[in-house]
This record gives sequence, C-alpha cells and structure tokens, in this order.
Amino acid sequence: GDSVTQMEGPVTLSEEAFLTINCTYTATGYPSLFWYVQYPGEGLQLLLKATKADDKGSNKGFEATYRKETTSFHLEKGSVQVSDSAVYFCALCEDNDMRFGAGTRLTVKP
Amino acid sequence: DTAVSQTPKYLVTQMGNDKSIKCEQNLGHDTMYWYKQDSKKFLKIMFSYNNKELIINETVPNRFSPKSPDKAHLNLHINSLELGDSAVYFCASSQETVWPGYHEKLFFGSGTQLSVL
Repeated sequence: GDSVTQMEGPVTLSEEAFLTINCTYTATGYPSLFWYVQYPGEGLQLLLKATKADDKGSNKGFEATYRKETTSFHLEKGSVQVSDSAVYFCALCEDNDMRFGAGTRLTVKP
Repeated sequence: DTAVSQTPKYLVTQMGNDKSIKCEQNLGHDTMYWYKQDSKKFLKIMFSYNNKELIINETVPNRFSPKSPDKAHLNLHINSLELGDSAVYFCASSQETVWPGYHEKLFFGSGTQLSVL
C-alpha cells in the first residue's frame, strides 16, 4: 500500500542555515504530494503541494519538487528563521485518503 | 486564537468506557469533519457535517456518533471503546464541502490521541 517515509528528527539549526527534510513515498498510482506544518499548540496547516511529476510547490520560502524518478518530495529552505520552528509532515493523497509521514520536528536557534 | 481546536489533546481510557472528543472552529466555515489516523499514519475520513447536517458517513461502527449542535462545533462520541479505537483523531473544517481529493482546503485541529487500555 501507499506509504510516506520522512527523515526522523529532531532537527536543530541555527538561524539562516539551509534546511532539507527528506521525504520519499511509495504509491500505486499518481498521488498528490503535500507538506503540512504544525506550529506549537496549533493544528496542521498546508504549507505547499504538488499534484504531478516535476511540479514545484513553494510557500513562505519553502520549496519541494515532485520527483517521480526518485519518488521523493524533499522540503528545502535556503535560510531558516526562529519562527520556522515547528513539526513538518510530508503527506500523499491518492484516491480518497491521505497518508502522512511521522513528522520531523525542527528547532531553529537564534 | 487557534482556528480549529479540539479537546482533549490526550485521552487514556479503559475498554468499554464511553468518551467524547470536542471540536470547535472559529473560521466561520460551513463544513466540519472527523478523521482517524491509525498507527501507520493513514488518515481516513469518518464523518462530515455541513451546517449541522450529516453529509458524509463512512463505514464506521455505530459506536461512533457525531453531534453538531451548531455549525461551529462537531463533537465525536464513542461508546464501548475497544482496543482498535486507539488512534489520533483529527477534526477539520472547510468553507465548503471538499471531500474527496481537495484536502488542501481543509484546516485541521491539532489532533486528539486516544489510547484504549
């Protein structure tokens, strides 16, 4: 069945550092791919998405490219801020259901 | 203020008990949902209400009963809890009904982790 695997955390970076959170997936068809973010005490929020191969999703300086050949959707940001500290979830949606990764906690220190 | 809030955040209880999870949204949305996320992180829709009317009712045991006193609230009551009910339950809302396939328009709560012993 479908699954999502993302790098385990926690990840701790200094402000302005480069961020990569790896995400790979397995799917039977052509899923849509998402990154969700959960800030402390809040619900999941959609960060970005890509619906087909080679699409690049971007938002708030974050980017991820749908790579079908490597079945990956890695999240990147060139310069993180303290306010980016949160838990990041990679997810895929195929047919009517969603599957999430386990989440990666990011802490950015000033 | 949190847009979609659900309580409690954690719930530990014994088999056979009856428990409720509450959800409230302050976004003015018309549609609310309950999802169940199992141990494999698979998120499956359970129910959806639009303006207090039940519109989606997936194959869920009768022990689960949603209640929507108004369009800002959708509570989930579970009778006779079983071990297999252990999961994280997510509430969500959207301005209009967007299932299936348009999950990017959903606003999720932070989840309620239910553990049945």
